[in-house]
Amino acid sequence: GAVVSQHPSWVICKSGTSVKIECRSLDFQATTMFWYRQFPKQSLMLMATSNEGSKATYEQGVEKDKFLINHASLTLSTLTVTSAHPEDSSFYICSARARDRGPADTQYFGPGTRLTVL
Amino acid sequence: GENVEQHPSTLSVQEGDSAVIKCTYSDSASNYFPWYKQELGKRPQLIIDIRSNVGEKKDQRIAVTLNKTAKHFSLHITETQPEDSAVYFCAASSLGGYNKLIFGAGTRLAVHP
Repeated sequence: GAVVSQHPSWVICKSGTSVKIECRSLDFQATTMFWYRQFPKQSLMLMATSNEGSKATYEQGVEKDKFLINHASLTLSTLTVTSAHPEDSSFYICSARARDRGPADTQYFGPGTRLTVL
Repeated sequence: GENVEQHPSTLSVQEGDSAVIKCTYSDSASNYFPWYKQELGKRPQLIIDIRSNVGEKKDQRIAVTLNKTAKHFSLHITETQPEDSAVYFCAASSLGGYNKLIFGAGTRLAVHP
């Protein structure tokens, strides 16, 4: 149980285009979803925290107009990278905290989305 | 905000030896400390976690210790096997701020047969 999926698993796009990544909790309702970015051989860096029906909270240094987060339901959050550039190429991972399942502080991670911007 | 430091960045051991990875955190309000194992291109996998009301927790070959006074926690892997080779991350979170996790920089563990 507590499965999180991401779509797509990988994407290649041209510089200047926008890319949308979906994060879904498949068998539970997520009170909060988190978006991380991981560059090669580096750690996971939290980008933003989103709660269903409210605006996302972005970490310092993360441009909210460039990384649009929508959390429309208790099972779906989306991250849109707008006007992508090569430096946005990275591994994007989401996680979710479950409502009524296990400890409230446990996060369940998605499989990640590898974005390559040409 | 919270800051988590992790050492060493790389660790090489012989199969059967023990491996120890250490982390320190800065926010005394942090009360949840998970450890993750990540293989190349895969999602982080929770391998063990500890909360601030406990000093030590063990699960087969893996154990975690927590010293709240010193603000550090450690991962211990005994009888290492080649399949333990991966990158290990520690993290810390607190009840405030939606329990967001702050990760350490990671330790690349190599277990040689």
